[in-house]
Amino acid sequence: GQQVMQIPQYQHVQEGEDFTTYCNSSTTLSNIQWYKQRPGGHPVFLIQLVKSGEVKKQKRLTFQFGEAKKNSSLHITATQTTDVGTYFCARSGGSYIPTFGRGTSLIVHP
Amino acid sequence: DVKVTQSSRYLVKRTGEKVFLECVQDMDHENMFWYRQDPGLGLRLIYFSYDVKMKEKGDIPEGYSVSREKKERFSLILESASTNQTSMYLCASSLSYGTAQLYGYTFGSGTRLTVV
Repeated sequence: GQQVMQIPQYQHVQEGEDFTTYCNSSTTLSNIQWYKQRPGGHPVFLIQLVKSGEVKKQKRLTFQFGEAKKNSSLHITATQTTDVGTYFCARSGGSYIPTFGRGTSLIVHP
Repeated sequence: DVKVTQSSRYLVKRTGEKVFLECVQDMDHENMFWYRQDPGLGLRLIYFSYDVKMKEKGDIPEGYSVSREKKERFSLILESASTNQTSMYLCASSLSYGTAQLYGYTFGSGTRLTVV
């Protein structure tokens, strides 16, 4: 399937610092989904973005969809140890089959 | 809540064995998927099914087959297990396109398969 590229692959932060992961596509996305996978767990759906320029918030998490619908970001404000895990973006434009990025692993140091 | 159940959390099999991984969902979802997850490679789609007895190849179907005889059950079969199939296998399900876009995909807890 068509790829979505995620950066960075890993991110170490001190507790309280902010964190951002980026998801990029060479083609226009119909929508983008974000998932979180805790260590030893399975991916859990967080949110979906559909509209150009869309911004959604879930407590300390802010999700953005680019104006051109080719990129997206997830920003966490003031990280906590409970934020540890791998964050995946996934595209499913044009079909119901999600294609996942390789994920960004967030490590939070207390 | 939707529940996707994978029959085994850990499996150890010998090279050449035929291996069955079972997945059951309890919310009448049309679509079911099998992924494998490897460090640094993310989630790669093996096979998916959008209806009973229907199946489609994903990105890495070689060495695998699937079976969907009932709507709630989607089985992944390794015809002759090899060491390069050692991985975490994740099953997922979703409603049909449209609703799936609202609620995403629900994953099972995964089966960690080791082939020795």
